Amino acid sequence: GAVVSQHPSWVICKSGTSVKIECRSLDFQATTMFWYRQFPKQSLMLMATSNEGSKATYEQGVEKDKFLINHASLTLSTLTVTSAHPEDSSFYICSAGGWAGGHGYTFGSGTRLTVV
Amino acid sequence: QKEVEQDPGPLSVPEGAIVSLNCTYSNSAFQYFMWYRQYSRKGPELLMYTYSSGNKEDGRFTAQVDKSSKYISLFIRDSQPSDSATYLCAMSSRTGNQFYFGTGTSLTVIP
Repeated sequence: GAVVSQHPSWVICKSGTSVKIECRSLDFQATTMFWYRQFPKQSLMLMATSNEGSKATYEQGVEKDKFLINHASLTLSTLTVTSAHPEDSSFYICSAGGWAGGHGYTFGSGTRLTVV
Repeated sequence: QKEVEQDPGPLSVPEGAIVSLNCTYSNSAFQYFMWYRQYSRKGPELLMYTYSSGNKEDGRFTAQVDKSSKYISLFIRDSQPSDSATYLCAMSSRTGNQFYFGTGTSLTVIP
């Protein structure tokens, strides 16, 4: 149980364009999902907490107008990187789950974004 | 001071060795302790999680939590080349959902 699917696995886009990343919980409902960013050889940095049916909660220093999060259903959260720049190139990972089911939190396979 | 400290390594061991990975933390509110394995260019995979103090064993993996010392460990017995990956510790409080991650330890098991 607790399978999280993330799509796409990698994407290359031109500077100034927007990219949408999807995170789906396949076999459970997730009222909360988390979005992380990971730079090479560094740990995961929490960007925001995505709440179903309400606004996301962003960590300090994360631009909410640049990283748009939508959690419109209990199984889908999306992260849109708007007006992407080369410095936004990174590995983006979502996670969902919880302790009640005994599975802990599961991560998606990640999306490698390269902005050229 | 970081919430979670983890030696980044790299750690290199021969096949069959016992591997010890460790993290320390500063927040006494942490109740859930997790170990994730991350292969290159992949999302982290949950290996084990422990609630509060104690030991937990799963096959070749043993997780230990010592809350009095704010210290957690992951032991890998009979290490295999397929265990080569980055291992991340993570923690969260009982009431909160936010995770705090260590920087990860890069492990290479040499055949």
